[in-house]
Amino acid sequence: EAGVAQSPRYKIIEKRQSVAFWCNPISGHATLYWYQQILGQGPKLLIQFQNNGVVDDSQLPKDRFSAERLKGVDSTLKIQPAKLEDSAVYLCASSLEGLAGVEQFFGPGTRLTVL
Amino acid sequence: DAKTTQPNSMESNEEEPVHLPCNHSTISGTDYIHWYRQLPSQGPEYVIHGLTSNVNNRMASLAIAEDRKSSTLILHRATLRDAAVYYCILRDRGSGNTGKLIFGQGTTLQVKP
Repeated sequence: EAGVAQSPRYKIIEKRQSVAFWCNPISGHATLYWYQQILGQGPKLLIQFQNNGVVDDSQLPKDRFSAERLKGVDSTLKIQPAKLEDSAVYLCASSLEGLAGVEQFFGPGTRLTVL
Repeated sequence: DAKTTQPNSMESNEEEPVHLPCNHSTISGTDYIHWYRQLPSQGPEYVIHGLTSNVNNRMASLAIAEDRKSSTLILHRATLRDAAVYYCILRDRGSGNTGKLIFGQGTTLQVKP
């Protein structure tokens, strides 16, 4: 079974530039998550989708971050404009359902460096 | 959300058992206890979860205290590949909850050959 795919794996940009990350979840998984992991910390949820609807985006900095999941499959996360503090690993995860007893499967992440 | 407390780091010798503790004194009756681990340069991966009873799977065992205020993840024979950050996470299964994972700092496990 193919896992969660993410691209690119690495990205280096200047501050105030824009960047986009792509995620392809495991086939059939209705729930998709984006997490931000700053060096030395645990991942923090940015946004959760159930199919193509947003379930939780309370931690998403909406003035600069946006995310979409068109057709309820792939998802993109965009940062515009980027700040130095956005340097982090962005992890995508998926699960069959967004329930507490259901395992989440994580992708390898995209490491973003903002200079 | 109820919080967990874990030691920052632990060491183990290869092929010996490892007991990773987690305290969650404010756990509610609807909280699952989940464990994930994150190997270097990888995304987290699921290890095990339980509610009230001890659980076993191919990766590990989870021992849950009778009052559910603490739990222990047991790796029966540590290998070098088990060196990772281990996260103990409570997930509320109550209605209306999204089941999101709230990660703490975790325990960094070092395995020595």
